[in-house]
Amino acid sequence: NAGVIQTPRHKVTGKGQEATLWCEPISGHSAVFWYRQTIVQGLEFLTYFRNQAPIDDSGMPKERFSAQMPNQSHSTLKIQSTQPQDSAVYLCASSSPTPISYEQYFGPGTRLTVL
Amino acid sequence: TQTVSQSDAHVTVFEGDSVELRCNYSYGGSIYLSWYIQHHGHGLQFLLKYYSGNPVVQGVNGFEAEFSKSDSSFHLRKASVHWSDSAVYFCAVSAHSNNRIFFGDGTQLVVKP
Repeated sequence: NAGVIQTPRHKVTGKGQEATLWCEPISGHSAVFWYRQTIVQGLEFLTYFRNQAPIDDSGMPKERFSAQMPNQSHSTLKIQSTQPQDSAVYLCASSSPTPISYEQYFGPGTRLTVL
Repeated sequence: TQTVSQSDAHVTVFEGDSVELRCNYSYGGSIYLSWYIQHHGHGLQFLLKYYSGNPVVQGVNGFEAEFSKSDSSFHLRKASVHWSDSAVYFCAVSAHSNNRIFFGDGTQLVVKP
């Protein structure tokens, strides 16, 4: 079991460029969560999927951010026209909802730096 | 809506000391409480959980936490800390109705040799 895999580990973009972050959940886990972590804001919930369907995206910024889960083996978080304030560590987590589990397994994160 | 409050942003102790990291929550329904640890440069790692039964739950590496319904608390304790316990600790609460977890702001624990 390789755990939750996130790629890339580090990404540097210029202001206005697009960034796509990838997450591969643990095999068999059908709930995937995205968080953003900064020193100032702490750990912020962004969105989550269950069985590939978006369940709650209340934490997603309304513009420029989007997340997808095209199949059960990966999810992507896309940030269009990146801004310096998007610089953060983006964490992905997965959990197994059958039976219902509230224990989330986190990946190592992707550190996004927007210059 | 669930809320989680960790009153101490930073706690510093010496190796061998005991430590208690405080967590208070606000939620009216049936909930699930947990603690996570985050070492620098890594993702969060599950430590322990409480759902029902014995209010004192044991986790890995000698950590335990005690649930108190009257105080709406779920404090984390360790009798004798090691320098490797230095990390950020997050308290978390979730409702039984869904998988979403609400995290506290975290407590940075520094263990001095």
